[in-house]
Amino acid sequence: QKEVEQNSGPLSVPEGAIASLNCTYSDRVSQSFFWYRQYSGKSPELIMSIYSNGDKEDGRFTAQLNKASQYVSLLIRDSQPSDSATYLCAVAGNKLTFGGGTRVLVKP
Amino acid sequence: GAVVSQHPSWVICKSGTSVKIECRSLDFQATTMFWYRQFPKQSLMLMATSNEGSKATYEQGVEKDKFLINHASLTLSTLTVTSAHPEDSSFYICSATGTVAGELFFGEGSRLTVL
Repeated sequence: QKEVEQNSGPLSVPEGAIASLNCTYSDRVSQSFFWYRQYSGKSPELIMSIYSNGDKEDGRFTAQLNKASQYVSLLIRDSQPSDSATYLCAVAGNKLTFGGGTRVLVKP
Repeated sequence: GAVVSQHPSWVICKSGTSVKIECRSLDFQATTMFWYRQFPKQSLMLMATSNEGSKATYEQGVEKDKFLINHASLTLSTLTVTSAHPEDSSFYICSATGTVAGELFFGEGSRLTVL
């Protein structure tokens, strides 16, 4: 079992819709959770961090954390073509571990 | 956020040669930097953790004699791929930690192609 798992996608969503990305992790002692966005051929950039159970909103992005179920999700509202990218979930416990990423395609 | 600059952004070299990649923190001091490698359509794989003034810590399976890391100052870490071979062709990315562990700021990445 991978330490951090994501559906590789592609997740295809129409412009203006909500994109929902999920991530599960295996290490129960994980304390910090991050979502990074990576455009093709570019390096990742941090878009969200979440540390406690519940929802955290930042603009069109909402991160959701459920430590009991060991999952963290990312919602992208009003999806735009510019949101088309690979989204990497990262979990920090003793070390930072990245998931394989979910490729998102927003179609105009 | 913090700015991390990486150079060169791409390099093509012949098999058997060595290539040096530089990673600089431009507006902050980074005592720790991380080097990742990413193959096409795959996720980031941590290669090593670079600590200023001490030896780097390599992940299992990464050859420390092949991937030489030097972190001589608080703003510069270098990765040298020695005797590069085509299988070393990859996207190499450095990063540094901000004030919160796990919040990484990445350099632009260096795409290495070994012929």
